[in-house]
Amino acid sequence: DTGVSQDPRHKITKRGQNVTFRCDPISEHNRLYWYRQTLGQGPEFLTYFQNEAQLEKSRLLSDRFSAERPKGSFSTLEIQRTEQGDSAMYLCASSALPGQGTYEQYFGPGTRLTVT
Amino acid sequence: AQKVTQAQTEISVVEKEDVTLDCVYETRDTTYYLFWYKQPPSGELVFLIRRNSFDEQNEISGRYSWNFQKSTSSFNFTITASQVVDSAVYFCALSVAGANSKLTFGKGITLSVRP
Repeated sequence: DTGVSQDPRHKITKRGQNVTFRCDPISEHNRLYWYRQTLGQGPEFLTYFQNEAQLEKSRLLSDRFSAERPKGSFSTLEIQRTEQGDSAMYLCASSALPGQGTYEQYFGPGTRLTVT
Repeated sequence: AQKVTQAQTEISVVEKEDVTLDCVYETRDTTYYLFWYKQPPSGELVFLIRRNSFDEQNEISGRYSWNFQKSTSSFNFTITASQVVDSAVYFCALSVAGANSKLTFGKGITLSVRP
């Protein structure tokens, strides 16, 4: 029984570069979430997928951010033209649909992004 | 809009002491869910408990217990006989029933348990 996995675990990039992160949810989970966590803060919601459909995006998700979940399996989060303010931990979580199992969101280990 | 307040930022206790972590929430929805997560130094958020708004019964799981009081909009977490392995950041979170069930987190409480 594998949990949520994320790759890479750490990413250092120069300002202006593009980066892409991957999340593999728990296999039977239909829902997938992305959150961002900065130092000393709780995670903040970025976006949500149910199967392959992206159903909500936070206003935190600027035009430089895009997320996909092709075929309703793994998901990718891309940041274009990175800025120093993008430095944070990016967390992925998955959960079952209500009535199809436990309701809780299970989190991956996160990808720590440092923009220099 | 939902809001979670964890007024305590850092707590330090000596091993075997009891410690209570406070959580106050705000929501206009009548159906909602409250959660506690633990984030150890490794960084991965670990689910501890979920409580729905219709169930005010307190819960105990080993050394952990939770006190949910709708009258004060609080969902406090007590660790009895703390251990060094309890050292972590603890987050309280809220989601409302609906299409996406996204979590709104508090800022977290850093608990340090000294031997």
